[in-house]
Amino acid sequence: SAVISQKPSRDICQRGTSLTIQCQVDSQVTMMFWYRQQPGQSLTLIATANQGSEATYESGFVIDKFPISRPNLTFSTLTVSNMSPEDSSIYLCSVAVLTGNTEAFFGQGTRLTVV
Amino acid sequence: AQTVTQSQPEMSVQEAETVTLSCTYDTSESNYYLFWYKQPPSRQMILVIRQEAYKQQNATENRFSVNFQKAAKSFSLKISDSQLGDTAMYFCAFMNNKAAGNKLTFGGGTRVLVKP
Repeated sequence: SAVISQKPSRDICQRGTSLTIQCQVDSQVTMMFWYRQQPGQSLTLIATANQGSEATYESGFVIDKFPISRPNLTFSTLTVSNMSPEDSSIYLCSVAVLTGNTEAFFGQGTRLTVV
Repeated sequence: AQTVTQSQPEMSVQEAETVTLSCTYDTSESNYYLFWYKQPPSRQMILVIRQEAYKQQNATENRFSVNFQKAAKSFSLKISDSQLGDTAMYFCAFMNNKAAGNKLTFGGGTRVLVKP
């Protein structure tokens, strides 16, 4: 299993500013994933964060808007840059554990409101 | 690319009754995992049940069971003896194999309301 600590749990930000979300895992994992959940919607993958290489972004998401760091095998950050009200969402980090019973574990999520 | 479809935006059920949530998916892969996750108002994603595609036997976890039809690409969740604590959003999710990165593709979700 994996325990993920994500912070902040929520924030209210001014448009045009940036917010960095942190994700700490209690074990070493190869890949970490960042998802966005817009209000009343499902989860959409933003990018896959690989240690030692650049993140891999999904269609519709770009590095300039969502820069990601992955300095080691237990930590990652996602920055939401130059925010607008359309960025108001829940952001979740996740890891996949493939030993034993395969499962994805999630952080508690960050509820971001941009005003 | 994989797609996951949940055709029921919302379901309500009386306490102690049974409810079935539908999920269909599309993939060209033969080896994959399917999951049902529960998301209560706390936002925490909680694994309800998993199914490995290579296993023909349907997974069960206490009051939760699935009907996995690989040929039909269908993966429904049955909640038996529904409890008030089952009220939440339920997401069906597909995980591809390791070579493709183990990322999850989610369905649109089904909101389940258990009524006393």
